[in-house]
Amino acid sequence: IAGITQAPTSQILAAGRRMTLRCTQDMRHNAMYWYRQDLGLGLRLIHYSNTAGTTGKGEVPDGYSVSRANTDDFPLTLASAVPSQTSVYFCASSVQAGTNEQFFGPGTRLTVL
Amino acid sequence: KNQVEQSPQSLIILEGKNCTLQCNYTVSPFSNLRWYKQDTGRGPVSLTIMTFSENTKSNGRYTATLDADTKQSSLHITASQLSDSASYICVVSANPGGYNKLIFGAGTRLAVHP
Repeated sequence: IAGITQAPTSQILAAGRRMTLRCTQDMRHNAMYWYRQDLGLGLRLIHYSNTAGTTGKGEVPDGYSVSRANTDDFPLTLASAVPSQTSVYFCASSVQAGTNEQFFGPGTRLTVL
Repeated sequence: KNQVEQSPQSLIILEGKNCTLQCNYTVSPFSNLRWYKQDTGRGPVSLTIMTFSENTKSNGRYTATLDADTKQSSLHITASQLSDSASYICVVSANPGGYNKLIFGAGTRLAVHP
């Protein structure tokens, strides 16, 4: 049983490049989320998906896009990375939207140079 | 503005000692409050959840308290172990119109030394 997996574990990226962070869960949770975690700040919601086929914007969505083609996968894409997107990215899921126990993946550490 | 503030920012204690972490929030309408533990290089893992009517909840050596009147919560760790070294994050859930919105504190980084 894997829970939530993220890939890659870490990545160094040149500014302007496109990057997709992958997230897969095997718990059949309906809702999924992407957060970024920066030093001294709480986790901030980038995008969310309440169920397969739907997505919504969180607190800091600019520069990011997501898709939810099926229940298990929720990739996060940076179309043209900028240094301010250097952060640790966490994917999370919950049984339903509004059920606030969220289960987090191990994170992806992204550095944009 | 919905905010969650935690103190101290960081804490060092000796193994076997107790400690208390604080969380103050200004979140409305309040739904519930959860403490997460985040080990270095890992995602957060839920420790406890407290609703408006609950004052105290324990999970092993972890005891959380909630004072909804003063909007304060604390997490008390008893007889600390080296494995307690982690960041502890207070998360408050607001429920504006039926949608659960989570507001995360910045966390308290705890180091337990032998």
